[in-house]
Amino acid sequence: EIVLTQSPGTLSLSPGERATLSCRASQSVSSSYLAWYQQKPGQAPRLLIYGASSRATGIPDRFSGSGSGTDFTLTISRLEPEDFAVYYCQQYGSSSPWTFGQGTKVEIK
Amino acid sequence: EVQLVESGGGLVQPGGSLRLSCSASGFTFSSYAMHWVRQAPGKGLEYVSAISSNGGSTYYADSVKGRFTISRDNSKNTLYLQMSSLRAEDTAVYYCVKTRSGYSSSSYDYWGQGTLVTVSS
Repeated sequence: EIVLTQSPGTLSLSPGERATLSCRASQSVSSSYLAWYQQKPGQAPRLLIYGASSRATGIPDRFSGSGSGTDFTLTISRLEPEDFAVYYCQQYGSSSPWTFGQGTKVEIK
Repeated sequence: EVQLVESGGGLVQPGGSLRLSCSASGFTFSSYAMHWVRQAPGKGLEYVSAISSNGGSTYYADSVKGRFTISRDNSKNTLYLQMSSLRAEDTAVYYCVKTRSGYSSSSYDYWGQGTLVTVSS
């Protein structure tokens, strides 16, 4: 099983600032099958990024993903008020179990 | 518009059983693998189980293997999760999720609103 470790646990930033979230895998993620999700309180998660760097439908271009192998990054170029939420990475390589990171909370400073 | 509507959650005693259903609409259900993902109160996301588009392949997290059974009825556009021998640690919101690519190994582009399962005496 691939273990995903996200850092930091909490990121305290102000609107307009840049957010950089990390996701590190315990072994290489095949074909960059890495996704990022955003979850707000009381809501289901929303797909932001798939294939490590492809934005999902309707996702603003201030969200970008990068990385390969075992190290992946989600960058929010300029935080908007609606971006304060919890973010999860997920690997969906060739076989079960497909796993999630423990999440990074982006909070208002 | 894609819609996934879960039902069947509730309060159940330890050792009991429950069947969750997920009614899907707005896409060709029979062309997409489907998963169940859960979230314990105040915790992160956990993959539970997956089923291929034709139901021929099923997958389980180790934490539920042998206790949960995933199935689907493509004629009714419905996904199921039969849960038995339930434990307190199974308490969570259970989400029905649609794969983006159609394959079992995929990200999830649509999520249901979730149904809460509480295992307690």
